[in-house]
Amino acid sequence: DTAVSQTPKYLVTQMGNDKSIKCEQNLGHDTMYWYKQDSKKFLKIMFSYNNKELIINETVPNRFSPKSPDKAHLNLHINSLELGDSAVYFCASSRGRTGVTGELFFGEGSRLTVL
Amino acid sequence: QQPVQSPQAVILREGEDAVINCSSSKALYSVHWYRQKHGEAPVFLMILLKGGEQKGHEKISASFNEKKQQSSLYLTASQLSYSGTYFCGTESDKIIFGKGTRLHILP
Repeated sequence: DTAVSQTPKYLVTQMGNDKSIKCEQNLGHDTMYWYKQDSKKFLKIMFSYNNKELIINETVPNRFSPKSPDKAHLNLHINSLELGDSAVYFCASSRGRTGVTGELFFGEGSRLTVL
Repeated sequence: QQPVQSPQAVILREGEDAVINCSSSKALYSVHWYRQKHGEAPVFLMILLKGGEQKGHEKISASFNEKKQQSSLYLTASQLSYSGTYFCGTESDKIIFGKGTRLHILP
């Protein structure tokens, strides 16, 4: 069983479209994250949820909206896609929250290409 | 307040040692180290906690100087499988990753 799974693994879409990425973890962790890795390999945190509560919301355009229906799932919806949104989006989870996070377990990533 | 990693890239021959450094300007709870191979997700190597506790990989060691907010990752007797990009993640109110150090091991 994959600990942190993301779908889809690849998305290719046109500018202006809307897309969603889903993430599920079966580790029983309380905290989940979205990280964006751009073409220069910089891993930047976007959002974090702890038990369905948003605890980290970085300076991310409003076109990005995370949703956590329960503590095992964290989805990312992106509206009006732009070229600069092309990146690999990683979902991650950890046992703890800020300050006592423990190791991050990453999903395999979802590569988004906006044409 | 992204941590600064050095060097940016290292090329070694199998069996040689390497040190990767990470420094932050903020007071830290912990420092994380991850390795990412091309096309794959980052994988946890080690976490160093404030107060001296460490958890992680058997063959990789690291240090954390709390006063200087600096950490170093020590790769000894490197193997081909060590190739990849190494990220340090510094944790204060959230985990922020450095830009990475690319390590390439030659046979």
